[in-house]
Amino acid sequence: DAGVIQSPRHEVTEMGQEVTLRCKPISGHNSLFWYRQTMMRGLELLIYFNNNVPIDDSGMPEDRFSAKMPNASFSTLKIQPSEPRDSAVYFCASSSSGTGLAKNIQYFGAGTRLSVL
Amino acid sequence: GQQVMQIPQYQHVQEGEDFTTYCNSSTTLSNIQWYKQRPGGHPVFLIQLVKSGEVKKQKRLTFQFGEAKKNSSLHITATQTTDVGTYFCAGPTPNFNKFYFGSGTKLNVKP
Repeated sequence: DAGVIQSPRHEVTEMGQEVTLRCKPISGHNSLFWYRQTMMRGLELLIYFNNNVPIDDSGMPEDRFSAKMPNASFSTLKIQPSEPRDSAVYFCASSSSGTGLAKNIQYFGAGTRLSVL
Repeated sequence: GQQVMQIPQYQHVQEGEDFTTYCNSSTTLSNIQWYKQRPGGHPVFLIQLVKSGEVKKQKRLTFQFGEAKKNSSLHITATQTTDVGTYFCAGPTPNFNKFYFGSGTKLNVKP
């Protein structure tokens, strides 16, 4: 399996621009998580989907952030308009809520490093 | 506020010394998972504990889940430079409506 795939790996944009981060979870996984990591705030859970439905979006910072999961194999995190304080590494992770030892273990993508100038 | 706290935030040890990080949740967790993130990398799953009071070992690493399923610990015996990284605990609430990641403990090992 290719693992969780995130794109782009790096994104540099100017303040005010729209940014879209993409994630392809591991095939067969039905839970997907978006995280943001900064030195100041550590690893923060932004939103959590189960079977393509948002279960917990309490971590989404504000209305500028939105996340979608149109199908089981794709999710996006959009920031519009972007601000310098959004600069961070954004991770996507997926897991399976089925049975067995692998239940609920999260597999992380390599992350997208976002710089907003 | 932060639901799952870890202490210490940072730990610097000499190679060969032991290391422990403690994880405390304000709410009961269904299970506890531990992840390790190397500098510049992404979190990687280490282990999962499900039962109250459970203890598991992986070579030099010992993991413990508290009786109330609200706290956990990771102990590394005789640290090596390869242990460098940030260790996170994490876990879902019993109804799986929330998933919490701990604040992390950053370990540095001096050779």
